[in-house]
This record gives sequence, structure tokens and C-alpha cells, in this order.
Amino acid sequence: AQSVTQLGSHVSVSEGALVLLRCNYSSSVPPYLFWYVQYPNQGLQLLLKYTSAATLVKGINGFEAEFKKSETSFHLTKPSAHMSDAAEYFCAVSESGNKLVFGAGTILRVKS
Amino acid sequence: KAGVTQTPRYLIKTRGQQVTLSCSPISGHRSVSWYQQTPGQGLQFLFEYFSETQRNKGNFPGRFSGRQFSNSRSEMNVSTLELGDSALYLCASSSGLQGRGSSYTFGSGTRLTVV
Repeated sequence: AQSVTQLGSHVSVSEGALVLLRCNYSSSVPPYLFWYVQYPNQGLQLLLKYTSAATLVKGINGFEAEFKKSETSFHLTKPSAHMSDAAEYFCAVSESGNKLVFGAGTILRVKS
Repeated sequence: KAGVTQTPRYLIKTRGQQVTLSCSPISGHRSVSWYQQTPGQGLQFLFEYFSETQRNKGNFPGRFSGRQFSNSRSEMNVSTLELGDSALYLCASSSGLQGRGSSYTFGSGTRLTVV
């Protein structure tokens, strides 16, 4: 079965600093990968999606992620953190049958 | 266009009762998936419905069931509620195209508390 590992349950950065959230996946077939963000008491909002068209994927709110097959990674980055980026971020892989398998999530804290 | 609508937003139920949650997908979407989110287990897949048929099912007991109507709206039901069923239940809507590249749009969820 496919799986996702998010390294670091909590990440803290200063406003304006680089954001790096790590995601590694396990898959026996080419994966489809997703990053979602969740604000308190809200559902999940799609940030970006990798579907094999390009290894560098640009998403909303200035986020991007790079698919690295050799490292089985799909890390999420943003050059400059903003206070509004504080939220929980989930990496997910899509298995056959339109089912998402999620990582445990990373809570991003942005310090002023 | 309107997003995914889940009702109600909050529910408080007593152990042993049953509950029904509703999800209206994005217009034109034929697939509805349900997920349970808890602090301990994270986000777990419950089941997926496509064109009124359950197409995929997660590893949950039979107390958890669902259905989908001809207008693609979906309901999930939990019978004989247990304290451990307290969670945020999220519904995701997609076009349902076969393959793993479908985009999933989530609703705001229903927060169920079992007392």
C-alpha cells in the first residue's frame, strides 16, 4: 500500500523566512501527489497537485513543490513566510480508486 | 460555482445513538468521498461513492455506512455511536474520473461530538 511520511509535526519559521515542509512517499507505481492546507475549524484546501506533467509544481499563495523520484520526496516550499501561512499542512498520495492517503500533517507556526 | 456543502457543521450525540451527515458536491461532480479526521489517527478514508454506487471502502466497521442519491448528494450514517467516533468528518467532491489524478475539493466538515 502507498504511504506518506511528513517529517516534523511542528515547524516554526520567522515571518519572511523560507518555508520548507517535508514529505516522502512510498509507492510501487508513479504517484499522484497533493499538498493541502487546513486552517482551524475548516476543511482542506488544495495548494498544489503533481500529476507527472512537470516535476516542479506551482500552487496557490506562492507555494511550490518539487517531485524527486530518486528521493521519493515531494517537499513544499515558499520563499517568504507570511503570518497568514500559519496552518496545518497535509501531503497526500492518490491510490487507485480515487482514494487519498494522507500524511500525519505538519503544523506551521510563523513568528513575527 | 458553489463549493462542497456539508451539513450540519456541528453535532452533539449520545453514545448508542445514530447520526446522519449530509454532503452536497460541486455541481457536475459525480464522486463523493468521506474522511474521518481525529487527533490520534489523522485523516482516514471511509468510502467513496460514484454514480450512486460505492466504489471504494476504507477499513471501518459496518456501523459506518453511506449512500449517494441521483443528484450526487451523499449521506453517511453512523449507528450505535461510540465515544471514539468523535471527529471531524470531511466530504470531498471530484469529477470521479478513473485514475489517480482527480482533484478533490473538500467541504468544511461536520464536527461530531459523542458524549
